[in-house]
Parts: sequence; C-alpha cells; structure tokens
Amino acid sequence: DSGVTQTPKHLITATGQRVTLRCSPRSGDLSVYWYQQSLDQGLQFLIQYYNGEERAKGNILERFSAQQFPDLHSELNLSSLELGDSALYFCASGGYSNQPQHFGDGTRLSIL
Amino acid sequence: AQKVTQAQTEISVVEKEDVTLDCVYETRDTTYYLFWYKQPPSGELVFLIRRNSFDEQNEISGRYSWNFQKSTSSFNFTITASQVVDSAVYFCALSEAGYQKVTFGTGTKLQVIP
Repeated sequence: DSGVTQTPKHLITATGQRVTLRCSPRSGDLSVYWYQQSLDQGLQFLIQYYNGEERAKGNILERFSAQQFPDLHSELNLSSLELGDSALYFCASGGYSNQPQHFGDGTRLSIL
Repeated sequence: AQKVTQAQTEISVVEKEDVTLDCVYETRDTTYYLFWYKQPPSGELVFLIRRNSFDEQNEISGRYSWNFQKSTSSFNFTITASQVVDSAVYFCALSEAGYQKVTFGTGTKLQVIP
C-alpha cells in the first residue's frame, strides 16, 4: 500500500462529458503529480502541485485542469471528453524532486 | 530539456536467466535524480530505487542491481536469476533538482518464462 488514494478506480462515460478524478496524497507529502498512461503515449506527466500551488506543467490539454486543496488532496478535471482520453490516470505524491514518488492505484477512464 | 530512453521495448527470458534493462538519459543539470519503477500486470507503479547524480556507486539489493555511469549517461538495471514474479513493465525516470517534473522512459516490458 503506497498510502496514496485515488477514486474512483473505474469510470465509464461518454464523449463530451466531464469527470473529476480525486487523489489523497500520502501523509506528510506536499506534492501531488498527475500522469496519464495510454497504450500509445506511455506514461505522460500532466501537472504537479506543491502545497496548493502549481509547480510544473507537462503535456496537459486545455480541456484538463487540476487543483490542490488546503487539505492537500487534489482533483483532476477532464472536460469535453474524447475517445482518445481513455487511459489510466495516476496520481503520485512526494516531496522534493529528490524523493521518490509514491503512486496510487490509478483511475481507469473509459470513454464510450 | 530532459529525456529518458529505454530502447528495449520488450524482453523475454527464461526463468533463472540474468537480464539487464537499459536506460540512457539526457539532462543539462549537474544535479539530478534517477529512479526505477516497476509496473506489474496488476497495474500499480512501485518505486524500486533512487540515485542522485553525485553518487555513482553501484547498488545491489537481493537479486536486483543497478549500474550508474555518468560518463555514458546510463542507469542500467540487472535482475539476477530472474523469476516469473519479475514479469512487469519497468520504467526508468529522471528528475532535475527543485520542484520539477519527473520524466519517464517509455518502459521495458519484461516477460520471464517458466
């Protein structure tokens, strides 16, 4: 058990819809990272928050947004969903960049 | 910009064989951190090891060993006497100093055949 909790585990929705993925970091970790893993793109970094502030941005689409709340949990919002957004979305938590990231079990998003 | 290359897409070995997974990285920073993660068929990502750019000592942990060579920008991972439970996708990753993103390689899928 990594200590990182992601909900829901599975999500099935239709194109054009909006969903919210949730992540609770490991106790004591201030950083939250979001990744998208798909068959053709591999593990892609989306965005990082540290103690409520955005710190780094990767290949995150404009239709996607995230935030980290005062209690340090984070949400990733995906809107105007397309078939290509079907993927496994991981949240990871950590501290400084020299520390390993601990991953949640992921949310599998399927767009029909 | 940082980059991680895992040239081996898939490797198959017979149980008890040794196997080395290659990782080559690119970074302009002098301070950086390298990681290996394992993703078994169940899907979770598990941290295996971290190495910082100032520590070129090789590391051995049971059947696992890591060889870090700054001269060739490589951080290779060897599994000795492989077992079926080692079957997984292995990711090499790089992080630069500060609150920076981590760049993952594309992963190497290892299949250990009984």
